[in-house]
Amino acid sequence: DIQMTQSPSSLSASVGDRVTITCRTSQSISTYVNWYQQKPGKAPKVLIYGVSSLQRGVPSRFSGSGSGTDFTLTITSLQPEDFATYYCQQSDSTPWTFGQGTKVETK
Amino acid sequence: QVQLVESGGGVVQPGGSLRLSCAASGFTFSTYGMHWVRQAPGKGLDWVAFIRHDGSDQYYADSVKGRFTISRDNSMNTLYLQVSSLKAEDTAVYYCAKSERGACSGGRCYGDVFAVWGQGTMVTVSS
Repeated sequence: DIQMTQSPSSLSASVGDRVTITCRTSQSISTYVNWYQQKPGKAPKVLIYGVSSLQRGVPSRFSGSGSGTDFTLTITSLQPEDFATYYCQQSDSTPWTFGQGTKVETK
Repeated sequence: QVQLVESGGGVVQPGGSLRLSCAASGFTFSTYGMHWVRQAPGKGLDWVAFIRHDGSDQYYADSVKGRFTISRDNSMNTLYLQVSSLKAEDTAVYYCAKSERGACSGGRCYGDVFAVWGQGTMVTVSS
């Protein structure tokens, strides 16, 4: 199974900050890395698919990058509605696996 | 609009069973693969099972293999998850999710994204 290790597990940030979340995979994978946002009590929502493609309707302050075993989600200017938990996920091979999550909290 | 609505959760004793349902609307259900994903209280996301658009193949996490069965009724636009031999560690919110952008070939499915999620249904395993 491909393990997804996110870092950090949590971070504190302020509105307007640039936020970067990293996901490392246990083996090199292709472009099948997706990123999700989840708010308390709500279902996850896809932000980025295929490493760097922005899901329709997602603000352009979200971006994804990476290759091989290292992938990154960046929020260029954190907004109040962005305080949430973020998960990476791979669909390179079964079983599909998720990172453990990164909680973005208010500083 | 695309919508997924789960139902069927509840409180069940260890060793018990439930059938979870996911009613789909707003898209051509029979042309999309579907997933079940669960989330234990205060924990992260845990993929459970996947079924191809026509029901021809199913995939399971090792933790549920032999105990859970994913199925679908394309005439009713409904996805199911039969959960049996339940354990305390199966306690979670169960989400169904629509798979997009993926492909299956030679017994391998890859490349998809969990594009749309339902609101989830809670399963509590407790005596």
